[in-house]
Amino acid sequence: QSVLTQPPSASGTPGQRVTISCSGSSSNIGSNTVNWYQQLPGTAPKLLIYSNNQRPSGVPDRFSGSKSGTSASLAISGLQSEDEADYYCAAWDDSLNGRWVFGGGTKLTVL
Amino acid sequence: EVQLVESGGVVVQPGGSLRLSCAASGFTFDDYAMHWVRQAPGKGLEWVSLISWDGGSTYYADSVKGRFTISRDNSKNSLYLQMNSLRAEDTALYYCAKDANYGSGSYVDYWGQGTLVTVSS
Repeated sequence: QSVLTQPPSASGTPGQRVTISCSGSSSNIGSNTVNWYQQLPGTAPKLLIYSNNQRPSGVPDRFSGSKSGTSASLAISGLQSEDEADYYCAAWDDSLNGRWVFGGGTKLTVL
Repeated sequence: EVQLVESGGVVVQPGGSLRLSCAASGFTFDDYAMHWVRQAPGKGLEWVSLISWDGGSTYYADSVKGRFTISRDNSKNSLYLQMNSLRAEDTALYYCAKDANYGSGSYVDYWGQGTLVTVSS
């Protein structure tokens, strides 16, 4: 059972906009920033969004992040076939002397 | 270019010990905190441990606390994970990961390719 809750799956057709949610609590998302990672099949994760809504250099602006209270969302607009991957949210958690926590991951399928 | 290269993953019996290493290059190693994150076969990411830039602060997931020890040697640009009392549920691909800051609650910005640990008799 992951500390951060994500839907196990999401899907969309090319060109569509999809969102992936991440729900936490006051000790993690509620008091710290949220980060998102993309893991393409057979590869290491890659940073997609940091500090709630910041994109690293090289990440297309089709990807955007937001946070409200104890929840966060990743939005992907203009969905492309190469976006098919697993997506994870992560945040620092202030409980238990401090720890990092991940969501369980969302598998995005491009139909 | 940031490079993180893990090594040390093998097949080990339950109850055994193992030390993973991570060789870092392409950045000033002692300016940044470092993490270990693991991924069991077919499963999601699980954070394992974090060490601050100087080794003065360490953090562990409950699942490994008391069994794993994270350490670093800044003179060798290297990160380590000593794993004791290994269990079947520790079987996973172990990633070395760089934090974007020197302390604790920042974010991972670079990942290695991982080293596979299999705990089996």
